[in-house]
Amino acid sequence: QSVLTQPPSASGTPGQRVTISCSGSSSNIGSNTVNWYQQLPGTAPKLLIYSNNQRPSGVPDRFSGSKSGTSASLAISGLQSEDEADYYCAAWDDSLNGPCVVFGGGTKLTVL
Amino acid sequence: QVQLVQSGAEVKKPGASVKVSCKASGYTFTSYYMHWVRQAPGQGLEWMGIINPSGGSTSYAQKFQGRVTMTRDTSTSTVYMELSSLRSEDTAVYYCARDGGSACNIWGQGTMVTVSS
Repeated sequence: QSVLTQPPSASGTPGQRVTISCSGSSSNIGSNTVNWYQQLPGTAPKLLIYSNNQRPSGVPDRFSGSKSGTSASLAISGLQSEDEADYYCAAWDDSLNGPCVVFGGGTKLTVL
Repeated sequence: QVQLVQSGAEVKKPGASVKVSCKASGYTFTSYYMHWVRQAPGQGLEWMGIINPSGGSTSYAQKFQGRVTMTRDTSTSTVYMELSSLRSEDTAVYYCARDGGSACNIWGQGTMVTVSS
């Protein structure tokens, strides 16, 4: 069971806008920034969004991130077939056992 | 270009140890922390720990304390992750990932470790 909670699946049709949620707590999302990773089948994860809402160079502006309190969201507008992938949120957690990185369980996005 | 190249796939018996390497190139090795993350077949991402290549300091996830050791060799710009007392549940792809300051912005290609008798 993951520390951050994501819906296991999401779907949309080409051109549509979809959002993926990520819920945490005061020790992780509530006090640290959120990052999002995209993992295409059979490949290593790729950084999609960092520091809640920043896009690395090369990431299309169709992808956007936001954070409010202990939750975060990833939005994908103008959905394309190549967006079909697994998406993970992540954040540092100020655990009593020492800081650690926690991930969401991942959301499988299907483009219908 | 900036890249991380990991060692090849491994097959180990239960109780054995495995050491995975991650060779960095294209940047100043000692300037960026390195994470290790694993992914069991069909499962999500799991953080194992982090190493500072500059001084060698480490921080491990509680789950792996006592079983994992992360080291580095600055002469070859390589970080290592050794996991001991392997069990079947450790079968996974192991990734190294460079911390760009806010997130893991460069990932290795992954190393498949299979634990089977």
